[in-house]
Amino acid sequence: EDKVVQSPLSLVVHEGDTVTLNCSYEVTNFRSLLWYKQEKKAPTFLFMLTSSGIEKKSGRLSSILDKKELFSILNITATQTGDSAVYLCAHEPPGTYKYIFGTGTRLKVLA
Amino acid sequence: DTGVSQNPRHKITKRGQNVTFRCDPISEHNRLYWYRQTLGQGPEFLTYFQNEAQLEKSRLLSDRFSAERPKGSFSTLEIQRTEQGDSAMYLCASGGTEAFFGQGTRLTVV
Repeated sequence: EDKVVQSPLSLVVHEGDTVTLNCSYEVTNFRSLLWYKQEKKAPTFLFMLTSSGIEKKSGRLSSILDKKELFSILNITATQTGDSAVYLCAHEPPGTYKYIFGTGTRLKVLA
Repeated sequence: DTGVSQNPRHKITKRGQNVTFRCDPISEHNRLYWYRQTLGQGPEFLTYFQNEAQLEKSRLLSDRFSAERPKGSFSTLEIQRTEQGDSAMYLCASGGTEAFFGQGTRLTVV
């Protein structure tokens, strides 16, 4: 069965630090990988990755996919307290309509 | 507000009662999803609609769960004979290429 594994499970950093969150996936076929940020309730969309080696960037956040090694990373530079959240990685298998989520990485940024 | 809207935001019910949740998707989205999330876990897929057609349903979904999307607009998720294990956050999402989530309905079964 397709599986998404995120690491670390939790992380505490200080403002200004750079963090790297990991997402590895074991899937029979690949279509896309997505990153979401969940603060209190609704996960909010960050990135969708379909091609290997192409970095997606939005402000201080960036993400890249390695389809050969079956993982993705989410980088956050110059972290702020507002980055404190659970970061979820999800895989969208072809031939289905569902996303398979990992358990998330809980990031806490201290002032 | 042009986002995904879910009602109610919170629901407390006694075990054995039926509950119904409503989701109003972003108006131009024809894809609609229901997910369930428990503490410390990622969202778990329940079911998917494309317009009014329910095209996929999780094998984990018991017969007590039913979802509808009449006329391809809003959707409802009903849970019959609730059990304590049904306590969770129920998330609705709509989208095209990627899914946009609502704030969720937190269900507590006592």
